[in-house]
Amino acid sequence: QQQVKQSPQSLIVQKGGISIINCAYENTAFDYFPWYQQFPGKGPALLIAIRPDVSEKKEGRFTISFNKSAKQFSLHIMDSQPGDSATYFCAAGASGYALNFGKGTSLLVTP
Amino acid sequence: EAQVTQNPRYLITVTGKKLTVTCSQNMNHEYMSWYRQDPGLGLRQIYYSMNVEVTDKGDVPEGYKVSRKEKRNFPLILESPSPNQTSLYFCASSSLSGANVLTFGAGSRLTVL
Repeated sequence: QQQVKQSPQSLIVQKGGISIINCAYENTAFDYFPWYQQFPGKGPALLIAIRPDVSEKKEGRFTISFNKSAKQFSLHIMDSQPGDSATYFCAAGASGYALNFGKGTSLLVTP
Repeated sequence: EAQVTQNPRYLITVTGKKLTVTCSQNMNHEYMSWYRQDPGLGLRQIYYSMNVEVTDKGDVPEGYKVSRKEKRNFPLILESPSPNQTSLYFCASSSLSGANVLTFGAGSRLTVL
């Protein structure tokens, strides 16, 4: 049973647009929600993370929005750039290492 | 440089020929884990280890073995590889205190013919 559901599977956005990726989780014991970014030929790397005591976290052009009651969280990439083209994984867990990953979203930002 | 190193990065083998994918980290992390990445399925955990001599199954352990004899090393063993084990494999490590951020290796692409 998949504990974290991620959508969409793929996304194409024009340069300068907003990319939005959504995730939903089941287990209310989860209290750590990171997003990982993976470039071709590389391993995933932590991009940004949030804990449920806040509803939003912003780091540069990347923002996590968190809705505890709906058990959903999303990644927004503002002013998307071709260099943002990558696969993005959401995850959820009770710690930073014991994570349940979504299936990933392949993002392509066109020039 | 703090890193997780996997070898080999690419391997083509045949059904039934035992192979080992090595993983080593230089960050003194207690926690280490193996994942496989397949199209449309994302990252699935194979095995993990909380410390030396402590290992446990993840979500897809069938056909794999691991060992943790030293803190820095966590090899993944395929005793009798089959074509359904063709995949991209990632090793990751994390401390059990502080930020608990998973650090991934660069991946090992395995093809079993």
